[in-house]
Formats: sequence, structure tokens, C-alpha cells
Amino acid sequence: DGGITQSPKYLFRKEGQNVTLSCEQNLNHDAMYWYRQDPGQGLRLIYYSQIVNDFQKGDIAEGYSVSREKKESFPLTVTSAQKNPTAFYLCASSFAGTTNTEAFFGQGTRLTVV
Amino acid sequence: GQQVMQIPQYQHVQEGEDFTTYCNSSTTLSNIQWYKQRPGGHPVFLIQLVKSGEVKKQKRLTFQFGEAKKNSSLHITATQTTDVGTYFCAGSAGFNSNYQLIWGAGTKLIIKP
Repeated sequence: DGGITQSPKYLFRKEGQNVTLSCEQNLNHDAMYWYRQDPGQGLRLIYYSQIVNDFQKGDIAEGYSVSREKKESFPLTVTSAQKNPTAFYLCASSFAGTTNTEAFFGQGTRLTVV
Repeated sequence: GQQVMQIPQYQHVQEGEDFTTYCNSSTTLSNIQWYKQRPGGHPVFLIQLVKSGEVKKQKRLTFQFGEAKKNSSLHITATQTTDVGTYFCAGSAGFNSNYQLIWGAGTKLIIKP
């Protein structure tokens, strides 16, 4: 089945640790995105990538890092510099082009700092 | 900066009643998308509106894009339990990919027991 897969579904992190969230898609999409969702709020863009080996900061990139070594994969690292990392993280992908297209989301990773 | 305000934050309805959520942008949008997120789930694309004054229907759901392309609404007729979730609008002022989408905070549809 074609789709976008995030893992793990739940993640617990101790303060001061870096953690990496996985995102893989087999939809042949060029563009991939990471969003953060907090209760009662919309989605906020962390990073996006429109092509392999290139990515751009979104609105809340501080304390996060990404890589895009393969078209299918866009992992997100939450570093110890992120002051309030507890949140629901959503990865999405879409075709890239001159018009906005439908974004497909993964199931999300719920990160909790303990 | 560019903002998309979405109201109300919550709406409690009896099953069978109608539901409406509204989005207003501080700037003119090139298009607007609507997504539904079930409790504990991820956003799922519903529709995209592009043209000024556009109205689209999907069964009991009616989507509108304002004449000035600054506001949009989603109306659900005769709600059912399967409609429960949070509905988000996401607007774009540009034409290049989804990185320019600005998301509303969502309206949570709650069916009264």
C-alpha cells in the first residue's frame, strides 16, 4: 500500500537527550514536511524539503534538525536545545509544483519529555 | 505576519443538527484547503478551493470560498457521529507547494450524548 509512515507512535525522552523521529513515504512525492501540533492549536511548520539534499526552515525550526538523503525519507531530530519538545509531531508529503496540492500525513509521533 | 483565524474553537451539537466553521485570513489567499482530523488521528485532506466565490459539495459537506478570497466556510448538514473530529482550514498566499500553508487553529465538532 502506498502511504507515509512515521515511527515510533509514542516516544519518551529524558531531558537533555536528542531523539530522532522517522518518516518514510512511498508515494513518490518530492516535497516532505514536518509539523508540530499542540493542544488547541493548528499545525506549525518546523522544516520542509522540496528535493533531495535540500531543506528549508519553517516557522519554528529552532531546536530541531532534519536531513533528506533519500527521496523517501525525511527524519527529524529533536535536540536538547528544544526547550519544550512535548508535542504531537506530524510528517507530511505532497507533489511539488506550481500549485498547492493535497498533503498526505503520517500517523504522527507523540513525544513526551520525562 | 499572515494569519488565518478559525472560529469557533469548539461546537457542541446534537446529532442531526448542522455545524459550521469559518476561516478568515488577514491577506488575500490563492487557495484554501480543508482537512479533518479524527480524535487521536492525523489530518486528512477534504478539499481545495481556488476560485473566488467557489462552492463545492461533498454529500452533506458544503465548502465556500469568499468573493474576496479572504474567507472560507465549511458547513455540515445533519451531523452524524462519524463527523466527530477537528476541522482545519489551511490557506496559502503563494503558488509554490504546501510550505506556504498557514493553518487555522481548528474547530472541534462534538456530538452531545
